[in-house]
Amino acid sequence: DAKTTQPNSMESNEEEPVHLPCNHSTISGTDYIHWYRQLPSQGPEYVIHGLTSNVNNRMASLAIAEDRKSSTLILHRATLRDAAVYYCILRDVLAAGNKLTFGGGTRVLVKP
Amino acid sequence: NAGVTQTPKFRVLKTGQSMTLLCAQDMNHEYMYWYRQDPGMGLRLIHYSVGEGTTAKGEVPDGYNVSRLKKQNFLLGLESAAPSQTSVYFCASIRLGGRDYEQYFGPGTRLTVT
Repeated sequence: DAKTTQPNSMESNEEEPVHLPCNHSTISGTDYIHWYRQLPSQGPEYVIHGLTSNVNNRMASLAIAEDRKSSTLILHRATLRDAAVYYCILRDVLAAGNKLTFGGGTRVLVKP
Repeated sequence: NAGVTQTPKFRVLKTGQSMTLLCAQDMNHEYMYWYRQDPGMGLRLIHYSVGEGTTAKGEVPDGYNVSRLKKQNFLLGLESAAPSQTSVYFCASIRLGGRDYEQYFGPGTRLTVT
């Protein structure tokens, strides 16, 4: 399975943007890039996903490098509620079970 | 919709005891998953199911068994609990097909084996 590399932690100030990097240099052509986040004492929740083009939704934006070897999750205006562990995950659409393989993630701290 | 629910929320077992964790979803999803999460770690896949009556092993299946007799339920069993199985267990489900792909997670079951 292709692996991802993320910083262990990041800090941000409230109402400022947060840019979370993810390296996936061994990504294959059939890998989608997914982001999930896990708030304290909760199950993970879906944030966003993409294949090649940049994606936007109500929660965040996903910027994917042209060679697809890295991506960045952008939280446009961080709130205290955005403090969580953010996971960057590659999903191979050809693999059995449509499985997600979680790494260690990035712990985001939002300061008021 | 209740989404994905898990029963029980907490449990303490003694080494060697057995128990079953229940996951239920009311979204008519085809795929269901069981994960475990140890402190400070990401989730690891134990078993998964792509439909009623089918199950498959994930990354860490040893010591666990599963069953999917009904589409909406996915059971995780521990036949003889060990302290190494102390963890938080999460269930998830997804709908098959379509452009969207979102795993919906339950709130978790915190299991302690003494």
